[in-house]
Amino acid sequence: QVQLVESGGGVVQPGGSLRLSCAASGFTFSIYAMHWVRQAPGKGLEWLAVMSYDGRQTYYADSVKGRFTISRDNSKNSLFLQMNRMRVEETAVYYCARDRAHGGIGEIDYWGQGTLITVSS
Amino acid sequence: AIQLTQSPSSLSASVGDRVTITCRASQDIGSDLGWYQQRPGKAPSLLIYSTYTLQNGVPSRFSGGGSGTDFTLTISSLRPEDSATYYCLQDRSYPYTFGQGTNLEIK
Repeated sequence: QVQLVESGGGVVQPGGSLRLSCAASGFTFSIYAMHWVRQAPGKGLEWLAVMSYDGRQTYYADSVKGRFTISRDNSKNSLFLQMNRMRVEETAVYYCARDRAHGGIGEIDYWGQGTLITVSS
Repeated sequence: AIQLTQSPSSLSASVGDRVTITCRASQDIGSDLGWYQQRPGKAPSLLIYSTYTLQNGVPSRFSGGGSGTDFTLTISSLRPEDSATYYCLQDRSYPYTFGQGTNLEIK
């Protein structure tokens, strides 16, 4: 079965950096695009970024463009999110999610359980 | 960015009721819309993709409809386990965007 396990969450100071990882299993990671989505406490879902199966295409939300970088290592079935210049309002649960379409980019189907990031001094 | 507006923001209904949640897009997105269910403390799960298509394992009481700018999620006969927040998501263009969510309470 599809499993996505995020790690790397914790407390970071405003202006600081953090790198999230997502370990994938139960499917052929290298043929699926992957997404990051976040959810602030008590708030709705916010899509952040997607990377194509081969890493050649990346797209970002305006709110994180230039500060966050999505990447992947298909040899290790892993997805990453490098987050720089973090802001207090970016305190949230961060989800790794798989795209439904293999070989392209479409809807999100499977989600990890999320990892909490708290941006606070 | 395409904006998605869900209505209502919250609703309360009884077991066995039929409920409909609406998602309106700020521009034509064809049929590139999905619906997600999120129970408290849990990750979202996909219910419907491409407006109409039920994800594997999702009960048939869930259905989706619409096209262009107006879309619906209908639950034909509510069950207690349907208590959750429901979100729409457009994958027509980047950045992807979610609706603000609809909180469904079962009386």
